[in-house]
Amino acid sequence: GAVVSQHPSRVICKSGTSVKIECRSLDFQATTMFWYRQFPKQSLMLMATSNEGSKATYEQGVEKDKFLINHASLTLSTLTVTSAHPEDSSFYICSAPPGGVMNTQYFGPGTRLTVL
Amino acid sequence: DAKTTQPPSMDCAEGRAANLPCNHSTISGNEYVYWYRQIHSQGPQYIIHGLKNNETNEMASLIITEDRKSSTLILPHATLRDTAVYYCIVRREGYGGSQGNLIFGKGTKLSVKP
Repeated sequence: GAVVSQHPSRVICKSGTSVKIECRSLDFQATTMFWYRQFPKQSLMLMATSNEGSKATYEQGVEKDKFLINHASLTLSTLTVTSAHPEDSSFYICSAPPGGVMNTQYFGPGTRLTVL
Repeated sequence: DAKTTQPPSMDCAEGRAANLPCNHSTISGNEYVYWYRQIHSQGPQYIIHGLKNNETNEMASLIITEDRKSSTLILPHATLRDTAVYYCIVRREGYGGSQGNLIFGKGTKLSVKP
């Protein structure tokens, strides 16, 4: 299957700082990538859809000014959590569908964010 | 809301077949059944998907009933490394944006025991 990577795998930061998480498709190009978050003992929730060359689409209840998404190239999307607070501590996971948004999504390994 | 119903947990003996059921009684004609699994603290892993025919790959088999209202994922020889949460998801293909997204339910926590 297609390979998606994330960096960093784990990050701890102080409240009020910003954190950038990278999502890369390693062996395919992805015009669309998806960002999810998962709180402990809960399922994955879609946050936003990242589109190369255009603005991201955010799900209801997700603040676009807090979770900045930049799809800089066909293999890279970044999620920046601005002014992070303890309630933003979560497992952030990206996915990408090779060949187009209608195809099977492959997931990255996830990034564990802890805000102190 | 997720459009599927799965048992919250199941146990399976190592080396035996694991049969994970999923109900999707409101599935539409153009919706596929997808299965992913998530091992603790990792991203979900794609397993298999199908529309109406049974499917098999190197990981598992997917059996879809004729009326498409339910399906079963079969891991033929479960190992300890198959312990994970298994998600059954219905999804339309050929659509962009939110209509093609994956909506995760609570899944089935499969525990493979020695």
